[in-house]
Amino acid sequence: SQTIHQWPATLVQPVGSPLSLECTVEGTSNPNLYWYRQAAGRGLQLLFYSVGIGQISSEVPQNLSASRPQDRQFILSSKKLLLSDSGFYLCAWRGDRELSYEQYFGPGTRLTVT
Amino acid sequence: AQKVTQAQTEISVVEKEDVTLDCVYETRDTTYYLFWYKQPPSGELVFLIRRNSFDEQNEISGRYSWNFQKSTSSFNFTITASQVVDSAVYFCALRPRQGGATNKLIFGTGTLLAVQP
Repeated sequence: SQTIHQWPATLVQPVGSPLSLECTVEGTSNPNLYWYRQAAGRGLQLLFYSVGIGQISSEVPQNLSASRPQDRQFILSSKKLLLSDSGFYLCAWRGDRELSYEQYFGPGTRLTVT
Repeated sequence: AQKVTQAQTEISVVEKEDVTLDCVYETRDTTYYLFWYKQPPSGELVFLIRRNSFDEQNEISGRYSWNFQKSTSSFNFTITASQVVDSAVYFCALRPRQGGATNKLIFGTGTLLAVQP
């Protein structure tokens, strides 16, 4: 069965510090991967998606970046965090069964920038 | 334009009441997919159901049921005999056919359901 992991679960970082959030998927190959952010207002904002190794598409211009160094690893980074980067970050992968278009989400990382 | 509207921001019910969460979508595609997700206080989004545009048959899973009506572009979710464990934010989402290989989903803003004991 497939599972998706995210770490860390929670993070408190000062403004201006770097960020690295990691997401890994097990039990599937060549998945589509996604990074979302959920601010306090509850809406889900798609940040990045990847259809393969080294292929990253950005949805929202910002000081965040993403990388996919391995097939089942997706990393969200920042060189200098802003207060506005606080939020709940969710990684997701697309189901790999034919016509299975739903996305499956990881447990999330709660980031507080102080 | 592709859009999902969940007009109910918050709903509060007492345990054992039935509750319906509304979802209205907009798309020009004739082929599309609709989804419901549950986000409990722990934060992880849990996939509940997928429905494609060619299948208007309503679905029931235990206390959960979904009513898909293409004529009104709605995909409503009903919880029968609600329980405290149903308290969560519920999201409706749309995957239009033009999503292609990227498979991007369009999410509504969510409905917070609070079930009081």
